[in-house]
Amino acid sequence: DAGVTQSPTHLIKTRGQQVTLRCSPKSGHDTVSWYQQALGQGPQFIFQYYEEEERQRGNFPDRFSGHQFPNYSSELNVNALLLGDSALYLCASSATRLNTGELFFGEGSRLTVL
Amino acid sequence: AQSVTQLGSHVSVSEGALVLLRCNYSSSVPPYLFWYVQYPNQGLQLLLKYTSAATLVKGINGFEAEFKKSETSFHLTKPSAHMSDAAEYFCAVSRRSNDYKLSFGAGTTVTVRA
Repeated sequence: DAGVTQSPTHLIKTRGQQVTLRCSPKSGHDTVSWYQQALGQGPQFIFQYYEEEERQRGNFPDRFSGHQFPNYSSELNVNALLLGDSALYLCASSATRLNTGELFFGEGSRLTVL
Repeated sequence: AQSVTQLGSHVSVSEGALVLLRCNYSSSVPPYLFWYVQYPNQGLQLLLKYTSAATLVKGINGFEAEFKKSETSFHLTKPSAHMSDAAEYFCAVSRRSNDYKLSFGAGTTVTVRA
């Protein structure tokens, strides 16, 4: 049973560019959440998708957007990249119908903005 | 709003010694509390969770945590440290058990001395 998979694992972009990160949830999970983890800090909640809709959103600007597909996979898009967007982006999946409160995290996509 | 504060960004223990990681929470409603572990270059893994059942919660790898409402604390302990416990540990809180929107602390890095 594959866990949460993310791609790419590492990428380098320059300021002003756009990036798309991808996530496949754990089998049987229907909810995907995205977190940003800056170096030396705890993860910060970006947003959450359920039934192809953004269900909750953290305190991030509109440059951060996402999408969930019918197969529950998800994308995170960041436009007009800033140096401060350099971080590890974590995808976490969960099964809303099971109500366990447990998130399963992927290994992350490390974004470096130059 | 819910938040957690982890006391001590670095903890160093000898192999076989007690591991104690401190977490205090702030919540306007009864909280749901979690401890996650992150090994180098990996995603986060759930160690244990408190969801208003027993106040002493046992997790994986010999870890346990005690919920103390009077002290607004949820400290993590392990009686005997092992070299494999070297990692970063995060305390997190959410409003509901199935919220999946976690607020994380800044993390505590544990090093284990032989």
